[in-house]
Amino acid sequence: GAVVSQHPSWVICKSGTSVKIECRSLDFQATTMFWYRQFPKQSLMLMATSNEGSKATYEQGVEKDKFLINHASLTLSTLTVTSAHPEDSSFYICSATRTGRKDYEQYFGPGTRLTVT
Amino acid sequence: GENVEQHPSTLSVQEGDSAVIKCTYSDSASNYFPWYKQELGKGPQLIIDIRSNVGEKKDQRIAVTLNKTAKHFSLHITETQPEDSAVYFCAADQTGANNLFFGTGTRLTVIP
Repeated sequence: GAVVSQHPSWVICKSGTSVKIECRSLDFQATTMFWYRQFPKQSLMLMATSNEGSKATYEQGVEKDKFLINHASLTLSTLTVTSAHPEDSSFYICSATRTGRKDYEQYFGPGTRLTVT
Repeated sequence: GENVEQHPSTLSVQEGDSAVIKCTYSDSASNYFPWYKQELGKGPQLIIDIRSNVGEKKDQRIAVTLNKTAKHFSLHITETQPEDSAVYFCAADQTGANNLFFGTGTRLTVIP
């Protein structure tokens, strides 16, 4: 149990376009989902925390107008990179915590590699 | 905020030997310490975790120890196998805070 999927697994887009990445909890309900960014050979950096039905909380330095997060249901959160630029190229990973569990374990998706040309 | 340091950044061991990765944290309020394994091009996978009310936890070849007084915790992998080769991340969190702070990662290579 506790499977998180992401779609797409990789995407290439042109500079100036927008890209949407989906994060789904397949076999559990997730009140809270997290979005991370990871550069090559570096650690995960938390971008934002989203709670179902409310606005996402962004970490300092993350542009909320550029990285739009929607958590419309207990099993789906989306990250939209708007007007993408080459410096947005990165590995984006989501995670989710189970609704109703007190241990707050985070289950990670497989990641989405975004390349902006 | 929390600061998690991880050492070493790279580690090579012969197959069958043990590997130890160490992490320190700064916030005494942290009480949940997971370890993740990340293979190339994939998301992190939880391999073991420990909470502040215990000092050691073991799961087959993997064990984690926690010293709350010194604010450090370690991952021990025994009888290493080539498939253990990956990047390992430690993390610290305050249960209920929903905010994982990750270490910088250790690239483990197990040489057959």
